[in-house]
Amino acid sequence: GAGVSQSPRYKVAKRGQDVALRCDPISGHVSLFWYQQALGQGPEFLTYFQNEAQLDKSGLPSDRFFAERPEGSVSTLKIQRTQQEDSAVYLCASSPARVTSNQPQHFGDGTRLSIL
Amino acid sequence: SQQGEEDPQALSIQEGENATMNCSYKTSINNLQWYRQNSGRGLVHLILIRSNEREKHSGRLRVTLDTSKKSSSLLITASRAADTASYFCATVRANFGNEKLTFGTGTRLTIIP
Repeated sequence: GAGVSQSPRYKVAKRGQDVALRCDPISGHVSLFWYQQALGQGPEFLTYFQNEAQLDKSGLPSDRFFAERPEGSVSTLKIQRTQQEDSAVYLCASSPARVTSNQPQHFGDGTRLSIL
Repeated sequence: SQQGEEDPQALSIQEGENATMNCSYKTSINNLQWYRQNSGRGLVHLILIRSNEREKHSGRLRVTLDTSKKSSSLLITASRAADTASYFCATVRANFGNEKLTFGTGTRLTIIP
């Protein structure tokens, strides 16, 4: 597609439920990033994929968070046993870059997750 | 955690005036980028400045970078109502191995028609 697509745009879940958030990056983009943005704050890094390899997951806040990109294109961020502090906007970004290349990232519109 | 801070946190100006926002960061960087975010939307890339550059222009945007002070500024000239948005600086850390972005806290800009 023309840009990064994320679905759903909005997700409401009860505390304790599992959720799955999807990201369709720009076709051919090697790098894929997930960020978490709390209300009124800047985005914070969660995890990074280069093709299907998850090379950096240092930002994942707990072992309840899991991300995958099995075929090197679409990625899914899964949150198990959701808690209220997981409420945030989850942003996905992609880049054609493989390593340091001084290229910008292209962001989707995000999924706004609300945990009741 | 956030890389640094942006100043001011919020800025309101009349249409046609210039808007300046500042960003400070903490580590050595490969580049610094500015992004705009409209309410409820994702981030849109505005401009990228490399660590060996001091100033860059793109249309009505002017960015400066002072690596000795670990700071950057974004100037928007002749502001328009459509410039109303939040603006974030983001850095790519030097010698880190991937290009994850570390964002500042953002400046919320309001242009008054």
